[in-house]
Amino acid sequence: AQKITQTQPGMFVQEKEAVTLDCTYDTSDPSYGLFWYKQPSSGEMIFLIYQGSYDQQNATEGRYSLNFQKARKSANLVISASQLGDSAMYFCAMREGHNTDKLIFGTGTRLQVFP
Amino acid sequence: GAVVSQHPSRVICKSGTSVKIECRSLDFQATTMFWYRQFPKQSLMLMATSNEGSKATYEQGVEKDKFLINHASLTLSTLTVTSAHPEDSSFYICSATYLGAGGRSGANVLTFGAGSRLTVL
Repeated sequence: AQKITQTQPGMFVQEKEAVTLDCTYDTSDPSYGLFWYKQPSSGEMIFLIYQGSYDQQNATEGRYSLNFQKARKSANLVISASQLGDSAMYFCAMREGHNTDKLIFGTGTRLQVFP
Repeated sequence: GAVVSQHPSRVICKSGTSVKIECRSLDFQATTMFWYRQFPKQSLMLMATSNEGSKATYEQGVEKDKFLINHASLTLSTLTVTSAHPEDSSFYICSATYLGAGGRSGANVLTFGAGSRLTVL
């Protein structure tokens, strides 16, 4: 079974608009962490935002926010005021348990921002 | 911020040769590093966990004799692809844990190198 599912292979958004990238996860461990990374065409993985399973509030980092719905096991990334430079692959990832930093990645969503 | 340097960024080799990829944490120490592999337009697949001073832990299905990992110091891990074949052509990317970098909660965050694109002819 997939641990991390990203159902949107590709998304388009107009510049300055907001976009939501979906991510659902599956784990039986009560302690886990959810991450979003951005991968531009150059290949490097850029950390965007983190949500811990015990965090009461949704994480926010600048234009990025994470819509964490624990009961639904979803951790969607919301990018507000999209910019052309946001065009990239976006990966959702999960760390299971608290004794490891190992991440399992979803299949990614390619976001394209158009003027 | 934490920087992980990976070298070389691109390498082309002949079938049957071995290739070494280096992963360095530049401004922090990393007792654990992770090696991932990414095929074109696919996700990152964890290959192995590199532990400083001990043997690497390989994921199921990864040939440990083919992908040799050495983590000799707190800032350097190397991946050697031995007897490379065209099917080993891929993007290899390493990562290291940067402690407490995860926003308000201070969670550990994996910091990634820029990746190494291996092409085996």
